[in-house]
Amino acid sequence: DTAVSQTPKYLVTQMGNDKSIKCEQNLGHDTMYWYKQDSKKFLKIMFSYNNKELIINETVPNRFSPKSPDKAHLNLHINSLELGDSAVYFCASSQGAGGSYGYTFGSGTRLTVV
Amino acid sequence: QQQVKQSPQSLIVQKGGISIINCAYENTAFDYFPWYQQFPGKGPALLIAIRPDVSEKKEGRFTISFNKSAKQFSLHIMDSQPGDSATYFCAATVLNAGNMLTFGGGTRLMVKP
Repeated sequence: DTAVSQTPKYLVTQMGNDKSIKCEQNLGHDTMYWYKQDSKKFLKIMFSYNNKELIINETVPNRFSPKSPDKAHLNLHINSLELGDSAVYFCASSQGAGGSYGYTFGSGTRLTVV
Repeated sequence: QQQVKQSPQSLIVQKGGISIINCAYENTAFDYFPWYQQFPGKGPALLIAIRPDVSEKKEGRFTISFNKSAKQFSLHIMDSQPGDSATYFCAATVLNAGNMLTFGGGTRLMVKP
């Protein structure tokens, strides 16, 4: 009964490959997010998405693209992976902007590019 | 531009002591200030949050102090316990504008037994 689940938990891949990370939430939330956490623990917003609008952080390379097949899923596709993409990627969800209940985060996907 | 600055980066406190983490923000439009707690291998989890119309909010051993004029807010953990050892993040957003949470850089807290 995990609220926000991500798969895989670990991902090791070579430079230049294309990979996807899946995210599903069973909270009935209307907004989902992807965050990147670097080795220094800094959390950086990548995307925010609800059924009406996709908001992209302008600093995110266009090799990264979110895809939402339905309201409960927001997958992250990464093309032409680079060494600098190695990080932990967190999916999160909220009802509206988060309000009193904040964001619910998944447990993260540790991506290692070799 | 880092809109939310957090300090210290790391903090060591003895069991029973008070842990204090500070954050400063630049955007005066921010109207919601949550704190998240992250344990190793887990995602951040909401700990406590405050709106700018109050100067303090307390939940158990956790207290947020808010200073609107100084654009600063802080988290106080009273009677710190080893189980509180985690990374703490402050954050801020503009709720009604639907903005995304902007996080501070995080503070790694270690509580020694």
